[in-house]
Amino acid sequence: AQTVTQSQPEMSVQEAETVTLSCTYDTSESDYYLFWYKQPPSRQMILVIRQEAYKQQNATENRFSVNFQKAAKSFSLKISDSQLGDAAMYFCAHGGATNKLIFGTGTLLAVQP
Amino acid sequence: DTGVSQNPRHKITKRGQNVTFRCDPISEHNRLYWYRQTLGQGPEFLTYFQNEAQLEKSRLLSDRFSAERPKGSFSTLEIQRTEQGDSAMYLCASSSPPQRGQEQFFGPGTRLTVL
Repeated sequence: AQTVTQSQPEMSVQEAETVTLSCTYDTSESDYYLFWYKQPPSRQMILVIRQEAYKQQNATENRFSVNFQKAAKSFSLKISDSQLGDAAMYFCAHGGATNKLIFGTGTLLAVQP
Repeated sequence: DTGVSQNPRHKITKRGQNVTFRCDPISEHNRLYWYRQTLGQGPEFLTYFQNEAQLEKSRLLSDRFSAERPKGSFSTLEIQRTEQGDSAMYLCASSSPPQRGQEQFFGPGTRLTVL
């Protein structure tokens, strides 16, 4: 069975600073994907970034990047130059053969002006 | 394309009543997922369809829950004899082929409150 663990229920960052959100996972699959989704207050979930497990290179999307450590089963999200609009709940998720997503419990990110 | 839509957005019902939710996926997406999210938790997988075929159901989906996608387009999720523990946000998502690793696009959810 797949599990995803986010050990930081809440994080806070100053505007324009950098913050890293942690995620660890466990999986029995050899071919899988990892995702970070953002859920703003009262708004729908959107994809932030995706990582293919077979790729060694860490994914990046503008100010968002990941640190994927496959052996350690770690998948952290780094947000650079944080903006007020980054405030949201962030979920780490695992997608396997069927692409159903297994989510962590989330990290609530506050951005201080 | 307006994205994934869900109706109703909010539903308040009394314990023991039946409720039905609808999800309209993005038009060219052949795969549709249902998740349930309770307060302070991440979404939990319930079931998914590829076209009209229901391919997997979670153990969370008791026999009071039924989902359909009759023509491979919209989907409905029905809960019979609702219980207070069914109170949650019900999320629908869809994705396009090839499925593996594809982004799932989420709807705004239906918030169910069972009194």
